[in-house]
Amino acid sequence: KNEVEQSPQNLTAQEGEFITINCSYSVGISALHWLQQHPGGGIVSLFMLSSGKKKHGRLIATINIQEKHSSLHITASHPRDSAVYICAVRSEGYSGGGADGLTFGKGTHLIIQP
Amino acid sequence: NAGVTQTPKFRILKIGQSMTLQCTQDMNHNYMYWYRQDPGMGLKLIYYSVGAGITDKGEVPNGYNVSRSTTEDFPLRLELAAPSQTSVYFCASSYSTGQEIRSYEQYFGPGTRLTVT
Repeated sequence: KNEVEQSPQNLTAQEGEFITINCSYSVGISALHWLQQHPGGGIVSLFMLSSGKKKHGRLIATINIQEKHSSLHITASHPRDSAVYICAVRSEGYSGGGADGLTFGKGTHLIIQP
Repeated sequence: NAGVTQTPKFRILKIGQSMTLQCTQDMNHNYMYWYRQDPGMGLKLIYYSVGAGITDKGEVPNGYNVSRSTTEDFPLRLELAAPSQTSVYFCASSYSTGQEIRSYEQYFGPGTRLTVT
């Protein structure tokens, strides 16, 4: 079973700072997801990646398959970025076409202060 | 599109009571999932479905049942509620052709906060 570790567990930063959240996993994967959980509880999928790098607005996600590590970066952070960020992985070789094989990290609680 | 909707948003149950958490999606997704989220823990998969009429157990299925009679609906049934089932429950859906092992982006409902006392 894949073990997913996120760091830091909690992060408080000032508006405008560059933010990095890390995710490490123990077993080879076919896909990695980054999710955002808003203070109200809703969960939104940010990225799904299996190699390289993806960018969406101020968010950048990278993955290093050899090192079994992914990072989520937020540039020019803003208070509205305050949320829990969750990493989830799908282990390599898992059969089936859906997301039933996802293992979730416990999340990183990010607070951006004005 | 409304996306994934869940009802109710909140519920308090007494031990031994039963209830059904409703989940509906209007995106014609074939995959649907039920997760539970406990404080300080990662999401855990309870049950999932790959299409109407087909369901399968996830990591923590005990105490729950599901059905999938239509593409749109995926209700989760709690029989004989126990305090250990106090949690936030999320329904999600995704689309997959099943032709490759990579998973597709999931769309989550707003969650149901359940307390069993």
